[in-house]
Amino acid sequence: GQQVMQIPQYQHVQEGEDFTTYCNSSTTLSNIQWYKQRPGGHPVFLIQLVKSGEVKKQKRLTFQFGEAKKNSSLHITATQTTDVGTYFCAGPRGSNYKLTFGKGTLLTVNP
Amino acid sequence: DTAVSQTPKYLVTQMGNDKSIKCEQNLGHDTMYWYKQDSKKFLKIMFSYNNKELIINETVPNRFSPKSPDKAHLNLHINSLELGDSAVYFCASSLQGINEQFFGPGTRLTVL
Repeated sequence: GQQVMQIPQYQHVQEGEDFTTYCNSSTTLSNIQWYKQRPGGHPVFLIQLVKSGEVKKQKRLTFQFGEAKKNSSLHITATQTTDVGTYFCAGPRGSNYKLTFGKGTLLTVNP
Repeated sequence: DTAVSQTPKYLVTQMGNDKSIKCEQNLGHDTMYWYKQDSKKFLKIMFSYNNKELIINETVPNRFSPKSPDKAHLNLHINSLELGDSAVYFCASSLQGINEQFFGPGTRLTVL
């Protein structure tokens, strides 16, 4: 079945360094969403990408959707301790009512 | 104003017991979900409801029975709890289908 793979599983950086997490799907996605979950918290929606090759920015965060709509990335420039958490990508899977989540990338930032 | 609320926040119980988790959203959304997040943080959909109707049942054991009395509520009843049921259960809602999802704070279930 359709899967959404996400790498790396963990990333530890020094504050100020950049961070990137990658998401790959075995099939074309109609859209991809990104969520952030702080330790002990719940997933919070960050963004949705719909168009092939789309790039969106939110302050230090840059989101990309691949041309084939099978992969996506989230890049954080100059990480801060407030960026700590698990970042999930998610894509629809066979239904308009089912999101498949990647396994997430846990980001830790050393101050 | 809490958009998606769940009760209880923590639930500790013995194997074999039956328990319920409640979820309410005040966003006027049509679609509600239950997710299970295991110790490795893997987030897996269990059920999806749209306008009180079950749309997705993701091969969840029939010990789990969701109920949606109205569009704003989606409860989860679990019979004969097993050790493997220990996890954090998240309720979520979206306006319609797989748009932006709003998650509740989660219910941490521990089965002893």
